[in-house]
Amino acid sequence: NAGVTQTPKFQVLKTGQSMTLQCAQDMNHEYMSWYRQDPGMGLRLIHYSVGAGITDQGEVPNGYNVSRSTTEDFPLRLLSAAPSQTSVYFCACSYSREIYTFGSGTRLTVV
Amino acid sequence: KQEVTQIPAALSVPEGENLVLNCSFTDSAIYNLQWFRQDPGKGLTSLLLIQSSQREQTSGRLNASLDKSSGRSTLYIAASQPGDSATYLCAVNGNNRLAFGKGNQVVVIP
Repeated sequence: NAGVTQTPKFQVLKTGQSMTLQCAQDMNHEYMSWYRQDPGMGLRLIHYSVGAGITDQGEVPNGYNVSRSTTEDFPLRLLSAAPSQTSVYFCACSYSREIYTFGSGTRLTVV
Repeated sequence: KQEVTQIPAALSVPEGENLVLNCSFTDSAIYNLQWFRQDPGKGLTSLLLIQSSQREQTSGRLNASLDKSSGRSTLYIAASQPGDSATYLCAVNGNNRLAFGKGNQVVVIP
């Protein structure tokens, strides 16, 4: 039982490149979400999903896309990377808004 | 918008002392509140979940209290140990999202 798996763990992108951060969970939880963590800012919600086929925006959605075709996967797409997107990204899931389980994070640097 | 504040931002205590970490939030219409621990360069580990209808929750040396009407939660860690050194995050659950404080960075001195 792996919980929440995020890949890659580290990534360096050039400005303007696109990429997808992967998130997979094996707990059959309906709720999944993406956060970014920046020094002095705390964790901020990017996008979330309350079930397959349903997504919604969080606090800082600009520059990011998500989709939820299965219960298990919730990828986060950066369309055209910018230095302001340098951050640590965390994926989380929960069952019925109870205890949230977080992945180990993806550390992204945009140069 | 829910605003979550954690005080103090950082503290150092000698081993064996009790830790008291404070969290305040602006909107009392919450579903629950969760305390997390984060070690440097790592993800978040859930410590305690306290429901909006509860006053407190305990797990081993950890005790979390919740006063929803005044928008406050306190995490108590008894008899601190060097292994308790970490950042502690308070997260308020409401409206399908967690709102986080910026954390209490704790150093326990042997």
